[in-house]
Formats: sequence, C-alpha cells, structure tokens
Amino acid sequence: EPEVTQTPSHQVTQMGQEVILRCVPISNHLYFYWYRQILGQKVEFLVSFYNNEISEKSEIFDDQFSVERPDGSNFTLKIRSTKLEDSAMYFCASSEGLEQYFGPGTRLTVT
Amino acid sequence: QKEVEQNSGPLSVPEGAIASLNCTYSDRGSQSFFWYRQYSGKSPELIMSIYSNGDKEDGRFTAQLNKASQYVSLLIRDSQPSDSATYLCAVLGSNYKLTFGKGTLLTVNP
Repeated sequence: EPEVTQTPSHQVTQMGQEVILRCVPISNHLYFYWYRQILGQKVEFLVSFYNNEISEKSEIFDDQFSVERPDGSNFTLKIRSTKLEDSAMYFCASSEGLEQYFGPGTRLTVT
Repeated sequence: QKEVEQNSGPLSVPEGAIASLNCTYSDRGSQSFFWYRQYSGKSPELIMSIYSNGDKEDGRFTAQLNKASQYVSLLIRDSQPSDSATYLCAVLGSNYKLTFGKGTLLTVNP
C-alpha cells in the first residue's frame, strides 16, 4: 500500500540554524500539506500546497518557513533560524481528494 | 477561529464493549469530517471519513454526523486492546486545511 515517507525521523539542531525536512508524498497525489504537533498538544495545520504554489497557510507559517517541491517526488519544509519553540513533530500529508494521509513524522528538537 | 472540541478523556472501556467518542465543531458551513487514530509517538492514521448526515459503517467502526447539531461521533464496536489510542476528530476547511480537536484518549481493558 502506498504511503507518505519522511526523512529524517529525528533532527536535532541548535537555535538559529536552518533545517530542511523532507517528504515523499504518495505518487498520484496532487495536494500536499505540512502539520506540526507540539508535545501534548493538538495537530496544527501549517500549509497546503497544490500546483506548485501555496494554497493556504496558517499564522504559524510566517517568513521563517518555506515549502518547495524541488522535483517530481519530494516536498520539503525549510525552517530558517530555528527557535526553541519550533521543537515539535512535523507531519507531511498528501491527498488525491479530501482524505489526507500522513507520513510518520520528523521529530525536530531545537537546543 | 474555527474550533473542534473533544472530551480529552481518558475513556476507559472493557474489551468487547462499545466505545463512543464525540466531537463538536464551530463552523456551521463545514462539510467534510474525519476520524484519525494516533498511537503514542506515531502519526495520525485515517480511519473514517463522513460527509453526509447519518451513519457510515466500516467494519467495527461507525461514524455519525449531525450537521444541524454540529456534532460528529465515532462508535467502535467489540473494542479490542489494540484500539487503545488517541482518537482525533478533524474538520476540513477552505483550501483543504484540516482543523483537529485535541483528541480523546481511549483505553480498552482486557
């Protein structure tokens, strides 16, 4: 069964550094998303992406964040100048229609 | 601010019983609703979607939707210890944005 994959599974970085989280969506899906979940809190929407552009972004998704589809398979989330409060699980998801399927997540720890 | 509310639990049921999980949402215009299961430390796993008023059954799971009351529920029949997880209610908004509730922790006791 096709699934969303994410790398790395765990990323540790120092405050102020840039990180790139990578995702390979399900191959025939056209819609891509990033969500995050701070430990003990709800899953929060960050951004949706379709046809090589952002469809919607939340107020969390400020200038510190960017997304890119650099080739036909990868979808990336870049976080510039990381802060302690960026520590969270970051989930990539993809969909063909309304149903979104999530990857296993990347645990980002900012020290 | 569009909200999705769930009782955080924990909800504890014996093995073989019916577990009933509830969710309310604030945006009356919402049309698409989902239940995800999340095991501790894992990602959300889609288990049910529902778009029309009434019941939708899939195996041991039944989703129920009442748009007039802005209420979605999930019933799990013949609950198993492997069903122990946090169940997340999610509502789809504009541009495919999912808004999640905080989740209900379900524990099924053998």
